[in-house]
Amino acid sequence: QVQLVQSGNEVKKPGSSVKISCKASGGTFSRDSISWVRQAPGQGLEWMGGIIPIFGTSSYAQKFQGRVTITTDESMKTAYLEVTSLRSDDTAVYYCARVVSGGYFGKYFDYWGQGTKVTVSS
Amino acid sequence: DIQLTQSPSFLSASVGDRVTITCRASQGISRFLAWYQQIPGKAPKLLMYAASTLHSGVPSRFSGSGSETEFSLTISSLQPEDFATYYCQQLNSDPYTFGQGTKLEIK
Repeated sequence: QVQLVQSGNEVKKPGSSVKISCKASGGTFSRDSISWVRQAPGQGLEWMGGIIPIFGTSSYAQKFQGRVTITTDESMKTAYLEVTSLRSDDTAVYYCARVVSGGYFGKYFDYWGQGTKVTVSS
Repeated sequence: DIQLTQSPSFLSASVGDRVTITCRASQGISRFLAWYQQIPGKAPKLLMYAASTLHSGVPSRFSGSGSETEFSLTISSLQPEDFATYYCQQLNSDPYTFGQGTKLEIK
C-alpha cells in the first residue's frame, strides 16, 4: 500500500520561500512519477508540475516556471516542492500525488498526500 | 493548454437519484481523462481513469463514458457519502489540467 506523508502547515511572509516535503512508503519510488497540485481557499485543483525520480526530469505548468522547483531525494523516498517569491495568492493547500503511467490506460493520480496548508501573510 | 469545462457547477439531488456530470475538453484528448471525488478538508480521491475504468475499491454505482472532447460521470443511485465535489482531469498532455469542479449537494 502506497502512502504519501507531507510536511506540516506553514505560515510565510510575502517575498519569502517555502519548501514542502512528500515522503513515500510502499510502491517503487524511483520509477513512480510525483506531481504537485494546489488548491486555493474555496477554489478548484491546479496542477503545478511533476518529476520522475529515476530520470530526474521535471516539468512545470507555464504559470509556475521560474518560481517553482520540484526535486527528489531517492535515498529518502521524498519529493520536494519549493516555491519562491511568495505572494498572498499562493495561499493554498498543496498536495503531492503519485502518477501512474498505465500504458493503454494513460496516466492517473492514484495516491495523494494529506495536503500542506501554506498561508502567505504579512 | 487544454481547457476542461464541467457542467453543471452545482447539482442538488436526493439519496437514490441518478445523476450525471459532464466534462468537455477544448480539444481531443482520446480517452485520457480521470475523475476525482473530494470531500471538504480531504485530499481528492481517484474514482475513474481512462474515461471509463473504475479504480480499485470504487463502488460500481459510479460509471464513466466518453472520448475525445465529451465525457460524463454517472452515479446510478446516490448514497449519503457521495455528496462531495467532483473534478475531471485530462492527462493527454502536460499541463494536466482539471475542470472547475461540480459540487453535489443534498436536496
